[in-house]
Amino acid sequence: ETGVTQSPTHLIKTRGQQVTLRCSSQSGHNTVSWYQQALGQGPQFIFQYYREEENGRGNFPPRFSGLQFPNYSSELNVNALELDDSALYLCASSLGLAGYEQYFGPGTRLTVT
Amino acid sequence: AQTVTQSQPEMSVQEAETVTLSCTYDTSESNYYLFWYKQPPSRQMILVIRQEAYKQQNATENRFSVNFQKAAKSFSLKISDSQLGDTAMYFCAFGGGSQGNLIFGKGTKLSVKP
Repeated sequence: ETGVTQSPTHLIKTRGQQVTLRCSSQSGHNTVSWYQQALGQGPQFIFQYYREEENGRGNFPPRFSGLQFPNYSSELNVNALELDDSALYLCASSLGLAGYEQYFGPGTRLTVT
Repeated sequence: AQTVTQSQPEMSVQEAETVTLSCTYDTSESNYYLFWYKQPPSRQMILVIRQEAYKQQNATENRFSVNFQKAAKSFSLKISDSQLGDTAMYFCAFGGGSQGNLIFGKGTKLSVKP
């Protein structure tokens, strides 16, 4: 069984740029959730995708957008990067709509300068 | 809105001893799930244990067990026979409602000392 993978591991971007983060879900899982984890904090929910449709969204602006592909992998796109976007971005996969038992990838550390 | 509170920012325990991490939550949902996740310095979030709210029996996974008090909205994690590899941040998380997201507490940093 393949676990959740994320790429890249680390990323450094300049304010105003755009970034795309990628996630491959655990085999057999059809739901992907994205979280932002600031230093010293718990993860904050960005959005969830189930069968290529957005199922729910947290309190993040529209410049945070996502996609889920037919193979259930997913992308997180962030436009017009701000310094406060610097964080660890975690992807989690699960099974079913509103699947709560979520398995996380290793995360992408994004630094915005 | 649901909230999760972890009131112990840091804890330490001697190797082989027992430690209990506290978590309280607030919700109006009747059907929900509670989780404890471990995040070591390598940063990958690992699911430690889960509890369904409708189950009265407390969940147990090897050295890890929970004390689920539904009326008090309390969900503590007990780690028995602590090992050096248990050193990590521990997050309590709530799952319920239609969005499918988890709501996390701020975490407790646990240090196991030799």
